[in-house]
Amino acid sequence: QKEVEQNSGPLSVPEGAIASLNCTYSDRGSQSFFWYRQYSGKSPELIMFIYSNGDKEDGRFTAQLNKASQYVSLLIRDSQPSDSATYLCAVNSGNTPLVFGKGTRLSVIA
Amino acid sequence: DVKVTQSSRYLVKRTGEKVFLECVQDMDHENMFWYRQDPGLGLRLIYFSYDVKMKEKGDIPEGYSVSREKKERFSLILESASTNQTSMYLCASLSSGVQPQHFGDGTRLSIL
Repeated sequence: QKEVEQNSGPLSVPEGAIASLNCTYSDRGSQSFFWYRQYSGKSPELIMFIYSNGDKEDGRFTAQLNKASQYVSLLIRDSQPSDSATYLCAVNSGNTPLVFGKGTRLSVIA
Repeated sequence: DVKVTQSSRYLVKRTGEKVFLECVQDMDHENMFWYRQDPGLGLRLIYFSYDVKMKEKGDIPEGYSVSREKKERFSLILESASTNQTSMYLCASLSSGVQPQHFGDGTRLSIL
């Protein structure tokens, strides 16, 4: 059974701080890793994806992947109240459906 | 941009009714998926399809069926709706391999 684990939160950070969201996965054959943001009552929207070990930056977001340790993280710099949402980690092992974690709820306090 | 369109944003049906949820994608994607999402349970895969007329069961297929007669359209069918099928239903598509999935806006279905 392929699993993706996330801390459910809530993770509370003050406005302007760095939010760090973590995810571990069980399948060593996983090839691609995705972070989705989901606002309450809305559908998930893709914000980052990463395929290779190391860091990938996109604006205020940085995804970090460590395949040896089987974890992937998302850093949000200069957190804003509009970043308050649930963040879903998803993992793909080739041509199989994505396996999603249950999400971490982030609350950015103004 | 990929566009995944679900036919209804909100839907209210009665127990025992046959319910159809429609999903259309405009990017010629091979793969399409139906999920339901409930508080505390995360996204759960109901059915998926890798090609026209092809379907595979996901984690919770009981009480549901699907139809994929055309590549762009993937329908979820509740054969005889029950109150425990009240949920948010999400459709997604992806091209192939390790590409990201794109979601529709979701259908919030209430079974009374």
